[in-house]
Order: sequence, then structure tokens, then C-alpha cells
Amino acid sequence: GAVVSQHPSRVICKSGTSVKIECRSLDFQATTMFWYRQFPKQSLMLMATSNEGSKATYEQGVEKDKFLINHASLTLSTLTVTSAHPEDSSFYICSARFPGRYEQYFGPGTRLTVT
Amino acid sequence: DQQVKQNSPSLSVQEGRISILNCDYTNSMFDYFLWYKKYPAEGPTFLISISSIKDKNEDGRFTVFLNKSAKHLSLHIVPSQPGDSAVYFCAAGLSGSARQLTFGSGTQLTVLP
Repeated sequence: GAVVSQHPSRVICKSGTSVKIECRSLDFQATTMFWYRQFPKQSLMLMATSNEGSKATYEQGVEKDKFLINHASLTLSTLTVTSAHPEDSSFYICSARFPGRYEQYFGPGTRLTVT
Repeated sequence: DQQVKQNSPSLSVQEGRISILNCDYTNSMFDYFLWYKKYPAEGPTFLISISSIKDKNEDGRFTVFLNKSAKHLSLHIVPSQPGDSAVYFCAAGLSGSARQLTFGSGTQLTVLP
């Protein structure tokens, strides 16, 4: 159990375009999902907390108009990187949390490259 | 300010021996701690956790120890296997509706055959 999928696994896009990344909890309902970003040889940086049916909570320094998060159902959250620039190139990882628990289960990540 | 620190960026251990990964934290309000394992270009995999009301939790080859007075936790892997080679992250959680986790910077474990 506790499987989280993420799609796509890799995406290359041109500067100025938008990219949508999907995160799904496959075998449990997650009222809370999280979006992280990881730079090479660095830790996971929490970008935002996504709650089903409500607005996401963004961490300090994360532009909410650039990183749009939608959590439309208990099993799906999406992250849209709008007007992507090369500095947005990174490894984006989502996670889903069991209601009432601390453990987060992570997706396999999405490697975004903006050219 | 890093609230969760892993001061050793890397650790090498011989196969069959014990691996000890360490983690320190500064926020005494953390009440739950977790260890994750991560391979390159993959998401982290949950390994083991411990509540602040306990000082030890064991699951197979993995044991996590918590010393609240020292604000220190450690992960013991015994016996270590080459497949354990990965980056290990410790994480700490605060109670509350979001239960966000704060991650350490990770320790690269290499188990030598």
C-alpha cells in the first residue's frame, strides 16, 4: 500500500511555456499532499502544502502565481509551473500523507528541464 | 536556520557491519521523527519512524534511537548490505493539522562489498 505516482517523470520545455505535473495517491485518500523541490546534492525543500478542496499554503519565498497548485480530489494534486524559465529546472517531488498520520509517501519525482 | 541537521554528508561501511546515521534537531516541539532512503532520480522511501514518547523503534535490520534531552536521533542498520547504499534523510514533524516535515540535508551511505 501507500503508492504515490507522479507524471510525467521527465519533461523538457521551452522558456516561457507552462508545465503541469500530476501527483496521485493510488491506494489511499490523501487530504494533504505536499510539493517539494530538490536541487543537486541538497535536501528536499518544501514548496507548498496542498489541501483537498482549499487553497494551497505556500512556503516563504515560493511564488504562488508561478507555481499553481490544485488539489481537486482526495487522490490528485497538480503543480503547474507557469512561464517557466531555466532557473526553474529542478527535480520536483510530491508526497501524500495519510489522514491523522505523519508519514508522507513520495512520488518518484519529475525532472523538469527548461531550455 | 536549519532545524534538522545531518552533519555527516557521507558514510562508508563494510558489508555486514553496522551503519549508524546521525541527526540533530533544534526545535524541542518536534514530536515525531522519520527516516527516509532515497536513490538518485527517485522519490524518498519511508523507512522507519519514532514518536517522541519513545526512545527506540525497531523494524528488521533498522532501529531508530531517540535521545530527547540531547535532541538527537540515530538510525542503525545491521547488518549493512550493498543495496542499502543510498542517501538517508531524517525528518521531524510538528503536531497540527498540516503535520509538515522538516528534512535534514541527507547522508550518503555507501556499503562496500
